[in-house]
Amino acid sequence: KNQVEQSPQSLIILEGKNCTLQCNYTVSPFSNLRWYKQDTGRGPVSLTIMTFSENTKSNGRYTATLDADTKQSSLHITASQLSDSASYICVVSPSVRSGGSYIPTFGRGTSLIVHP
Amino acid sequence: DTGVSQDPRHKITKRGQNVTFRCDPISEHNRLYWYRQTLGQGPEFLTYFQNEAQLEKSRLLSDRFSAERPKGSFSTLEIQRTEQGDSAMYLCASSLEQNYNEQFFGPGTRLTVL
Repeated sequence: KNQVEQSPQSLIILEGKNCTLQCNYTVSPFSNLRWYKQDTGRGPVSLTIMTFSENTKSNGRYTATLDADTKQSSLHITASQLSDSASYICVVSPSVRSGGSYIPTFGRGTSLIVHP
Repeated sequence: DTGVSQDPRHKITKRGQNVTFRCDPISEHNRLYWYRQTLGQGPEFLTYFQNEAQLEKSRLLSDRFSAERPKGSFSTLEIQRTEQGDSAMYLCASSLEQNYNEQFFGPGTRLTVL
């Protein structure tokens, strides 16, 4: 069964500090991995997307890494801001070339709270 | 604003009533997806359309749920005889067929069943 596990479940940091969120997955065969940011009561917004051949992707203060061999990804947030307070969701999509289901697998998310 | 809109944003209903939600995708996107999200969980796939054809449905989509996309543009999700367990955020997303991994989500409809 395809699974995506995220850690920690929640995280509290002070404004200006850095943090790293983790994502482990068992989806196979693997097509791509995305990180989404979801503000409370809103829909998810894409931050980064990486294929199996990419091992890092940046979007401003957000940097995602991917190790397809160990099936791990991380999202690093630099110089956190109050507006970074949100849930961060890791989503892994299977490859459809093998005939498997196209449907992506979502993690439960990491709830990040940035305090002033 | 991703360009995907959903209506209503919030819906409170009594158990046993029927509800219908609408999603308007990005205009050139031919794929449209419905997800359900409960508190503290990630979105769970319900169903998706390519143009007007419903191509895949999750086992989560019980007989009380029905989705349509009659003209390949907007979509509706209807829940009949609502139950308290149906309380959740219902998210819609859209994408291009050739770039199906890049899904753009709407703001969601928050359903509360009393």
